[in-house]
Amino acid sequence: KQEVTQIPAALSVPEGENLVLNCSFTDSAIYNLQWFRQDPGKGLTSLLLIQSSQREQTSGRLNASLDKSSGRSTLYIAASQPGDSATYLCAVGQGGGDMRFGAGTRLTVKP
Amino acid sequence: DAGVIQSPRHEVTEMGQEVTLRCKPISGHDYLFWYRQTMMRGLELLIYFNNNVPIDDSGMPEDRFSAKMPNASFSTLKIQPSEPRDSAVYFCASSLGPSGGNEQFFGPGTRLTVL
Repeated sequence: KQEVTQIPAALSVPEGENLVLNCSFTDSAIYNLQWFRQDPGKGLTSLLLIQSSQREQTSGRLNASLDKSSGRSTLYIAASQPGDSATYLCAVGQGGGDMRFGAGTRLTVKP
Repeated sequence: DAGVIQSPRHEVTEMGQEVTLRCKPISGHDYLFWYRQTMMRGLELLIYFNNNVPIDDSGMPEDRFSAKMPNASFSTLKIQPSEPRDSAVYFCASSLGPSGGNEQFFGPGTRLTVL
């Protein structure tokens, strides 16, 4: 059974710092990996989708990488801002409707 | 497009009552997913549909839960009778294709409290 783990569970950084969020998964037979952002009391917003054949995706200050063989993905946030404060979840797609989520990393960026 | 629409946004009910959650997916999306999010268990897939047909309901916790998709623009998740342990946020999501390769778009969720 696929297990998705995110470390750390919570992270607090000063504004302007570059940071990395980690996601690991136990079964490398995945179709894709998706990073989401969730604000308190809100739904999930898709940030980046990496197909299994890709190594990374970039959107603005965000860069996500995928290493299937080692079962790892990272989300890099450059020049963090207070508005980046949210919970970040990764999810692995295994085909059909099967998508497994990590528990998330709660990020706080202090002004 | 307005995105995935869910109603109600909040629902408070008493144990034993029937609860119906509603979802309108993004137009043109063939896949619809129902998730439940709790502090203890995180996000769990309950059921998903492809072209209005339920494909996998193995995540539905009990027979008290049922889901329907009568047409491409509407789905319901029903709990009858509801219990306090059903309290959670229920999300609906849709995508153009299966999760293997396609981005999922989430609705704002319905926060259910069963007293």
